[in-house]
Amino acid sequence: DAGITQSPRYKITETGRQVTLMCHQTWSHSYMFWYRQDLGHGLRLIYYSAAADITDKGEVPDGYVVSRSKTENFPLTLESATRSQTSVYFCASAPPSGLNTEAFFGQGTRLTVV
Amino acid sequence: SQELEQSPQSLIVQEGKNLTINCTSSKTLYGLYWYKQKYGEGLIFLMMLQKGGEEKSHEKITAKLDEKKQQSSLHITASQPSHAGIYLCGAANNDMRFGAGTRLTVKP
Repeated sequence: DAGITQSPRYKITETGRQVTLMCHQTWSHSYMFWYRQDLGHGLRLIYYSAAADITDKGEVPDGYVVSRSKTENFPLTLESATRSQTSVYFCASAPPSGLNTEAFFGQGTRLTVV
Repeated sequence: SQELEQSPQSLIVQEGKNLTINCTSSKTLYGLYWYKQKYGEGLIFLMMLQKGGEEKSHEKITAKLDEKKQQSSLHITASQPSHAGIYLCGAANNDMRFGAGTRLTVKP
């Protein structure tokens, strides 16, 4: 199916564990983004990528690692999960022409760190 | 980095009333997105504005980007319960940052 998919949709993990959230898009969009959403904070940018092998920090990158070896995938890894990383995570992608059109969002991953 | 500030943070209106949500940028906007979200769900694209003075409409929702391109307003006419949700503005830059959102409640 065409689109942008996140997996898993729900995840419970323990403090200190490593966890990876997956994001896959089928359009070959150049840009991809990771956000976290917490009550009262809207969407906060964690990392973004303009192309394969190019990644940049956003507003709240600490405690997160990303990679983009293939255009269609943009995994987000929490190296050692903390309770403050309990949140809803959204992945997004935007076309190669740049941000002149709609950006597409995944359905989100709800992560709980206990 | 570009900061987007939305106002108000939350809004409660009676069904049928008009309302306006504002989005102010700390820097010139080269493009601005408006999205709607039911809390915890995915984002629904409403519209994108690029040119100063540009105005777009989607059903009963109208958004405008001011000429100086540092502020946008989103106006809902004759609000309905289906308009309830979180409205988010985002800058169409390489690092696509968003405001904190405006939570809209529409009372029947």
